[in-house]
Amino acid sequence: EPEVTQTPSHQVTQMGQEVILRCVPISNHLYFYWYRQILGQKVEFLVSFYNNEISEKSEIFDDQFSVERPDGSNFTLKIRSTKLEDSAMYFCATPPREGRENTEAFFGQGTRLTVV
Amino acid sequence: QKEVEQNSGPLSVPEGAIASLNCTYSDRGSQSFFWYRQYSGKSPELIMFIYSNGDKEDGRFTAQLNKASQYVSLLIRDSQPSDSATYLCAVLPSGSARQLTFGSGTQLTVLP
Repeated sequence: EPEVTQTPSHQVTQMGQEVILRCVPISNHLYFYWYRQILGQKVEFLVSFYNNEISEKSEIFDDQFSVERPDGSNFTLKIRSTKLEDSAMYFCATPPREGRENTEAFFGQGTRLTVV
Repeated sequence: QKEVEQNSGPLSVPEGAIASLNCTYSDRGSQSFFWYRQYSGKSPELIMFIYSNGDKEDGRFTAQLNKASQYVSLLIRDSQPSDSATYLCAVLPSGSARQLTFGSGTQLTVLP
C-alpha cells in the first residue's frame, strides 16, 4: 500500500498558468518532500517540509514555487506561472513511519506535468 | 557540489545471472545510501538502504558499502526479466540536510 497518494496523475497546462499538485499521506508525517524528474534526467530535490514549515529548499525552488499544508493532511506544491521547463514528473515523498527521522523516502506515484 | 555517480549503462545480463550495479559519491561524510528501482514512467521504488560498511542482504538483493572508497553497490542474484529497469543510487549527505541526492541511474536489461 502506497504511503502517499498524488493527484492528478497527469496535468497539462498552458505556459503562464498556475498549477497545484496534491499529495495525501496515509498517516501523519512530520517530514515531507517534493522532488522532480525531468524526462531522462536525475531525480532532483525541490523542498522539504517539517512540522508545517519549509525545512530546506534547493536552488530550483524559486519564488515561482510554494508549498502548503492547507487542511492539516494534504500537502500541495504550487507553481505560480508555469514555464516550458517545468515539464517533469513531480514526486512527493515521505519517511515510512511517523517518528522516524531517517530518510528512507517512499515516493508517491507522481504527477506528470506537461506545460505547453 | 555533492555528486553521486553511476554508470548509465545500459547493462545487459542474461536471465539467471548476477547483475552488479555501482555507485560512487563525493561527500565523504555521507550517512545513508539507498537503492531504488524505477520503471519507465513510474516513481522510484525503494529496494534497499544501507548505513554501515559491509554487506546487507535482502532476498535476491545485496547492497555493499565501502565508506573508505566512497563506493556502494547493488548485486541482483538470479536476475529476472522483470528486474529490467533503471536503478537509482541515492545518498543522504552529511550535515543537517535531510534530502537525498540521486545519481543519474543505471539502465539494466535482463535478457530472457
